[in-house]
Amino acid sequence: ETGVTQSPTHLIKTRGQQVTLRCSSQSGHNTVSWYQQALGQGPQFIFQYYREEENGRGNFPPRFSGLQFPNYSSELNVNALELDDSALYLCASSLDSPDSPLHFGNGTRLTVT
Amino acid sequence: GDSVTQMEGPVTLSEEAFLTINCTYTATGYPSLFWYVQYPGEGLQLLLKATKADDKGSNKGFEATYRKETTSFHLEKGSVQVSDSAVYFCALSDRNRGSTLGRLYFGRGTQLTVWP
Repeated sequence: ETGVTQSPTHLIKTRGQQVTLRCSSQSGHNTVSWYQQALGQGPQFIFQYYREEENGRGNFPPRFSGLQFPNYSSELNVNALELDDSALYLCASSLDSPDSPLHFGNGTRLTVT
Repeated sequence: GDSVTQMEGPVTLSEEAFLTINCTYTATGYPSLFWYVQYPGEGLQLLLKATKADDKGSNKGFEATYRKETTSFHLEKGSVQVSDSAVYFCALSDRNRGSTLGRLYFGRGTQLTVWP
């Protein structure tokens, strides 16, 4: 069983640029969630995708957007990067059932300078 | 809104010591409760969970009991090992509100360091 994989592992961008992060969900999982984890903090929910549509969003501005593809993989896009966007971005996949736990990838470390 | 308050760290213990990490929650519904562990350079791994009041989750010697009356889900282990050194996160999910898709609310995390 293949776990959740994220790419790239590290990324350095300049303020104002745009970035795309990628996530391959665990085999058989149809739901993908994205979280932002600032240094020393717990992860914060960005949004969730189910059947290629956004299904729930946290307190993040519209410049954070995403996609889910027919194979359930997903992208997180961030436009007009700000210094405060520097964080570890975690992707998690699950099944669409109440008891299905989230399986997290190892994350992408984004640094905005 | 839903939230989790977690004991601030860092926590430093000697091997074989008893561990408690406190966690309390605020929720308007009937959440499921979780403990996740994060080892250096890795993502989060589910350690244990409890889905209703008085349930006890357990795994790898760790335990936590869902206490509705005190809105708590404290993590305990009787004898810690050096390999338990990691960051521990308490979290809740609103999945039980009739929706099959939920999101996790995390605490800030507690860094545990165990010395030999």
